[in-house]
Amino acid sequence: QVQLVESGGGLVKPGGSLKLSCAASGFIFSDYYMSWVRQAPGKGLEWVSYISSSGSYTNYVASVMGRFTISRDNARNSLFLQMTSLRAEDTAVYYCARDYSSSSPFDYWGQGILVTVSS
Amino acid sequence: DIQMTQSPSSLSASVGDRVTITCRASQIISGYLNWYQQRPEKAPKLLIYAASTLQSGVPARFSGSGSGTDFTLTITNLQPDDFATYYCQQSYSAPLTFGGGTKVETK
Repeated sequence: QVQLVESGGGLVKPGGSLKLSCAASGFIFSDYYMSWVRQAPGKGLEWVSYISSSGSYTNYVASVMGRFTISRDNARNSLFLQMTSLRAEDTAVYYCARDYSSSSPFDYWGQGILVTVSS
Repeated sequence: DIQMTQSPSSLSASVGDRVTITCRASQIISGYLNWYQQRPEKAPKLLIYAASTLQSGVPARFSGSGSGTDFTLTITNLQPDDFATYYCQQSYSAPLTFGGGTKVETK
């Protein structure tokens, strides 16, 4: 069965960095686009970034462009999100999600990992 | 960016009711509209994709319709498990965007 398990979250000071990981299993990871979606406490869902199946194409929401970098290691079935210059407004639960292409729905989601940016 | 507007933001209903949630896109998105259910403290779950296609395993009491800019999620015979928050999402173009959510509460 498809499983997505995020790790790497925690408390970080404003201006700091954090790298999230998502371990995938139960499907051919290299066949799928992957995304990060976040949810601030008590708020709605916000797509953050996606990466193509080969890793050659990425896209970001404007608010994280230049600060966050999405990447993947298809040999290790892993997705990453490197977050730098973190701000209080980046505080959220971050989900990794699978999508077949950039125009597909998110058909499987991880359980989410909390990132808190606070001094 | 494509703005997604959901209404209502919340509603009260009883088990057995029929519930309708609407989602409007700020520009034509063809049929690239998806619906998700999120229970408290849980990850979202895909219910309907491409506006009207039921995801595998999702009960048939959920249905979706619409095209262009206006879309609807309907839940017939509301069940206790259905009290949750529902989000629409457009996958027509990046940045991918979600509606603000509709919370279905117990009357």
